[in-house]
Amino acid sequence: SQTIHQWPATLVQPVGSPLSLECTVEGTSNPNLYWYRQAAGRGLQLLFYSVGIGQISSEVPQNLSASRPQDRQFILSSKKLLLSDSGFYLCAWRAQGRDTEAFFGQGTRLTVV
Amino acid sequence: ELKVEQNPLFLSMQEGKNYTIYCNYSTTSDRLYWYRQDPGKSLESLFVLLSNGAVKQEGRLMASLDTKARLSTLHITAAVHDLSATYFCAVGSIYNNNDMRFGAGTRLTVKP
Repeated sequence: SQTIHQWPATLVQPVGSPLSLECTVEGTSNPNLYWYRQAAGRGLQLLFYSVGIGQISSEVPQNLSASRPQDRQFILSSKKLLLSDSGFYLCAWRAQGRDTEAFFGQGTRLTVV
Repeated sequence: ELKVEQNPLFLSMQEGKNYTIYCNYSTTSDRLYWYRQDPGKSLESLFVLLSNGAVKQEGRLMASLDTKARLSTLHITAAVHDLSATYFCAVGSIYNNNDMRFGAGTRLTVKP
C-alpha cells in the first residue's frame, strides 16, 4: 500500500532563517506531488505541484521554492522566512491520471517568530 | 481560473438534525472530491465523484454531483457529535489534470 511521510510535524523558526520541509511517498511510482498551505482557520492554498523529477509548477509568487530531486521526494524550501509564512503545510500525492484522488501527509505546523 | 466556493463556511447543528453543505465551482469539471479535516490534523478522503449525477453514501454522509449546475452537495443525515470537523470540497480542472482546487471549507459543529 502507498504511504506518505512528511516531516517535521512542528517547527518554530525565527524570521529570516531558512526552511526545509521534506515529503516522501512509498509504494507508488511517478506520482504527482503537491504542496499546500493552510492559514489558521482557512482553506488550502496550492503552492507547488510536480509531475516528475525536476518539474515544478508554482502557483503563487512568494519566497518559497520547491524541488523534486527524486521520483518520490518533494522538498519545500525558503532562504529567508517571513512572519506571513506561518501556517500548516501539507504535502499530497496523486497517481497519474484524471480521476485519482489526492492523499495527504500529516502536515507540518510552521510558526515563524 | 478555476474557483471553488463552499457554503456555509460555519455550521452549528444539533444532533439528530439534517443539513446540506454546498460546493459551487466556476468552470467545467467532472471530478469532485470531498475531504474531512479534524482540528490540527491532515485531510482524509471521503468521496470521489467522477460523473454527472454521481451519488455516494457512507454512513450519515451522502455526496452528489451535478456537473451541469457546477454543484456538489454533502448531505448530513441525523448528525452525531463525531461528525464535527471541517469539510472541504475540491475540484479537478479539465484543462490541467494536475490541478486540484479546494474550497474554503465548512466548519461543522454538532451539539448534543
